[in-house]
Amino acid sequence: EDKVVQSPLSLVVHEGDTVTLNCSYEVTNFRSLLWYKQEKKAPTFLFMLTSSGIEKKSGRLSSILDKKELSSILNITATQTGDSAIYLCAVEPHTGNQFYFGTGTSLTVIP
Amino acid sequence: DAGVIQSPRHEVTEMGQEVTLRCKPISGHNSLFWYRQTMMRGLELLIYFNNNVPIDDSGMPEDRFSAKMPNASFSTLKIQPSEPRDSAVYFCASSLWGLDSPLHFGNGTRLTVT
Repeated sequence: EDKVVQSPLSLVVHEGDTVTLNCSYEVTNFRSLLWYKQEKKAPTFLFMLTSSGIEKKSGRLSSILDKKELSSILNITATQTGDSAIYLCAVEPHTGNQFYFGTGTSLTVIP
Repeated sequence: DAGVIQSPRHEVTEMGQEVTLRCKPISGHNSLFWYRQTMMRGLELLIYFNNNVPIDDSGMPEDRFSAKMPNASFSTLKIQPSEPRDSAVYFCASSLWGLDSPLHFGNGTRLTVT
């Protein structure tokens, strides 16, 4: 059965710290891995990593895909209170059009 | 550009009642997904459609749940009869199938069954 595991489950840091969130997956015929940020409402899209693009960066956020280790990390540098959210990882296989989500990492950034 | 639109935003109902959740996907998107989110189980895929056709409904918990997509711009998720354990946030999402397109989520419907 396909599976996506995120760690840690929760994290509390101080403003200015750097955090690394982890996502590992077991998916048949991997196609892409996606990161989302969820505050109070809907998950919002951050990055998509595919076979042809294994590293993405946007401002203080960056993500790397390690296809050999079947994992990805999401880095946030110089964290701010506005980064407090649940970060979700999802994986899409080639077969079908499903997106399998992990249970998320809850990040709290305190001033 | 309008995103995925869901209604209602909140629904409170009594056990045994019928509940209908509605979704309008992003115009031009050809895949639509219904997810349920709870603290215990996270985001669970219930069913998804490609070009208005249900492809995989293996995530639908039981026969009390049904989903339809009569056209490219509208879908419903129905629970009949509802039970307290159905209480959750239900998200609809859409994407462009086959084009490395991410999922775009609606704001969800928070369902409370008492």
